[in-house]
Amino acid sequence: EVQLVASGGGLVQPGRSLRLSCVVSGFTLDDHAMHWVRQAPGKGLEWVSGISWNSATIGYADSVKGRFTISRDNAKNSLYLQMNALRTEDTALYYCARDRLSNYGGAVLFDPWGQGTLVTVSS
Amino acid sequence: QSVLTQPPSASGTPGQRVTISCSGSSSNIGGNYVYWYQQFPGTAPKLLIYRNNQRPSGVPDRFSGSKSGTSASLAISGLRSEDEADYYCAAWDDGLSALFGGGTKLTVL
Repeated sequence: EVQLVASGGGLVQPGRSLRLSCVVSGFTLDDHAMHWVRQAPGKGLEWVSGISWNSATIGYADSVKGRFTISRDNAKNSLYLQMNALRTEDTALYYCARDRLSNYGGAVLFDPWGQGTLVTVSS
Repeated sequence: QSVLTQPPSASGTPGQRVTISCSGSSSNIGGNYVYWYQQFPGTAPKLLIYRNNQRPSGVPDRFSGSKSGTSASLAISGLRSEDEADYYCAAWDDGLSALFGGGTKLTVL
C-alpha cells in the first residue's frame, strides 16, 4: 500500500524555524517527483514547493521563496521542507504529495497525498 | 486571491448534472493540462481528473472534465449525496509553479 506520512509540524513563534518530514512507503521514491502543498485553516490549496526525482530541478511558490528549502533523501524514503523565518501567514496544514511523473514541472499530477502535518505560527 | 478562478459554491439535487468552472490565462490553462481534485472535510485531496478529461481508475464516469482555451469545467452527472465535497482545479504555470483554484464547495440539496 502506498503511504505518505508527514510529521514535524507544531506551534512555533514568528521568525523561528521548523523542519517537516514526509516518509513514504509502498513505492520507489526515486521514481517520482515530490511536492509540498499547504492549506490554511478554512482556506484552499496552495502549492508550496516541488522537487524532481534526482533533486536536479526545484521550484518554490513566490510566497516562500528564499525562506523555505525542499530536499529529499531517496535512500531514506524521505522528503523534507526546511522552513525558516516563519510568518503567521504560513500557518496551515502541510501536505506532501507524490507526483506521478519523475521530472518536476509541467503537470499537477499529485497522487496520492499524505495526511498532512499542522504548522501553527503564533506568538 | 487565486490565479485560477472558481465559483466559491455550487449546488444541485440528487440526479442532476452540475458543472464547476475554472478560469485562467494563456500562461496556465491556455497552454497546459487541467487537473481536478476532490476533498472531503478533514481528509487529504484526491486526484479526480487529469490531463483535462482523463479519470484515474476507480473514479466513476459520472465525473468528466473539459477544457476550452483558458477555461475548464468539471461536470458531475447523476449527482449523489456522497459527491458533496470541495473541488479544486489545478494547472501548471509557465512560470514554473503549480496553481490551484480557490475551490468550489458543492452542496447536494
